[in-house]
Amino acid sequence: GEDVEQSLFLSVREGDSSVINCTYTDSSSTYLYWYKQEPGAGLQLLTYIFSNMDMKQDQRLTVLLNKKDKHLSLRIADTQTGDSAIYFCAELGGFQKLVFGTGTRLLVSP
Amino acid sequence: ETGVTQTPRHLVMGMTNKKSLKCEQHLGHNAMYWYKQSAKKPLELMFVYNFKEQTENNSVPSRFSPECPNSSHLFLHLHTLQPEDSALYLCASSLTGTAMNTEAFFGQGTRLTVV
Repeated sequence: GEDVEQSLFLSVREGDSSVINCTYTDSSSTYLYWYKQEPGAGLQLLTYIFSNMDMKQDQRLTVLLNKKDKHLSLRIADTQTGDSAIYFCAELGGFQKLVFGTGTRLLVSP
Repeated sequence: ETGVTQTPRHLVMGMTNKKSLKCEQHLGHNAMYWYKQSAKKPLELMFVYNFKEQTENNSVPSRFSPECPNSSHLFLHLHTLQPEDSALYLCASSLTGTAMNTEAFFGQGTRLTVV
């Protein structure tokens, strides 16, 4: 079955780069996503990557996909305190079934 | 604002109560979802509706009963819940049936506490 794993916690200093990692198991996943959840809010799509790509850059965000190892990462450059949130990795497996990881809580200190 | 609205935002209920969670979207989406978010656990998909038809029930106990009267509204009826059902319940919607990226839009969730 599908399984998506992430580390639970990451702490960085403001201005540093953050790298959040994710591993997934469904090799037939067509899309992989990063969602952000701020306190008291629902999930908001940050970025996504199609499975035939290995990198996608969107302003401060860089997504790397290693399909062979089923590893996805999200790099946030110049991390700001406003980036503090929970980041969820998700894969689109099956019929419209989004499978999420546990989420990584990113804490950015000044 | 994501275009997906959930009410209420917070709910406290006793184990013998009956309550309902409501979700609505006016994004023209045809698929709606219920997810359960518990601390330190992955987001769990509970139910999926496509064009008002339930297409997935992820082995959810019968004390949770979904209802989708139309493509814009989704309910989750709750009765005789247990304290371990306390969680954040998230509704989402998306446009399905195309080859394009199917971004899911999430509501802010209902924080449910069962006492």
